[in-house]
Amino acid sequence: DTGVSQDPRHKITKRGQNVTFRCDPISEHNRLYWYRQTLGQGPEFLTYFQNEAQLEKSRLLSDRFSAERPKGSFSTLEIQRTEQGDSAMYLCASSPYGGGSNEKLFFGSGTQLSVL
Amino acid sequence: GQSLEQPSEVTAVEGAIVQINCTYQTSGFYGLSWYQQHDGGAPTFLSYNGLDGLEETGRFSSFLSRSDSYGYLLLQELQMKDSASYFCAVAFSSGSARQLTFGSGTQLTVLP
Repeated sequence: DTGVSQDPRHKITKRGQNVTFRCDPISEHNRLYWYRQTLGQGPEFLTYFQNEAQLEKSRLLSDRFSAERPKGSFSTLEIQRTEQGDSAMYLCASSPYGGGSNEKLFFGSGTQLSVL
Repeated sequence: GQSLEQPSEVTAVEGAIVQINCTYQTSGFYGLSWYQQHDGGAPTFLSYNGLDGLEETGRFSSFLSRSDSYGYLLLQELQMKDSASYFCAVAFSSGSARQLTFGSGTQLTVLP
């Protein structure tokens, strides 16, 4: 079990630039989530995939944000025309699909985005 | 939408017991989870309550009352390494998706 890995760990960009983050979930997990976290706050839901299907997207999410999970394996999160308010930690999490009651998400270490 | 309330800060001494409360409002509710996050680290799963009652995992216990929309995390025999942020999170159904919404977190400081 190699855990959830995210790349890069840190990203500094200038306002207006596009950025893309990658998440590799635990291999047998078919659910994948993206969250955003700012200092002193809890993770905020962005979007959710079950296999390759994007089943839910936060209504708070701007059209500048897009996520993909081709082939149901790794996922990418792209932010276009970044703004300073996009500065945050972007967390990816995965979990196995199952009917059990153990709703356990495994989080990656996140990508810290700083928009200058 | 969903809303969760938990205290922003709690301080306790090593060896003590501390309880972190969480109240929530949500539709499609099916369970309450707790996560721990150390500074600079990723959130890690602690416990999940899908049914009313107490779940015990070592020094940590979690309780849920669905009728009161209330739960708590109980940490016993506190250790310095327990200093971290603790988040309650409601699990709920939204259409065909299952989601987890987090509270703002409780910063626990354990003093020697």
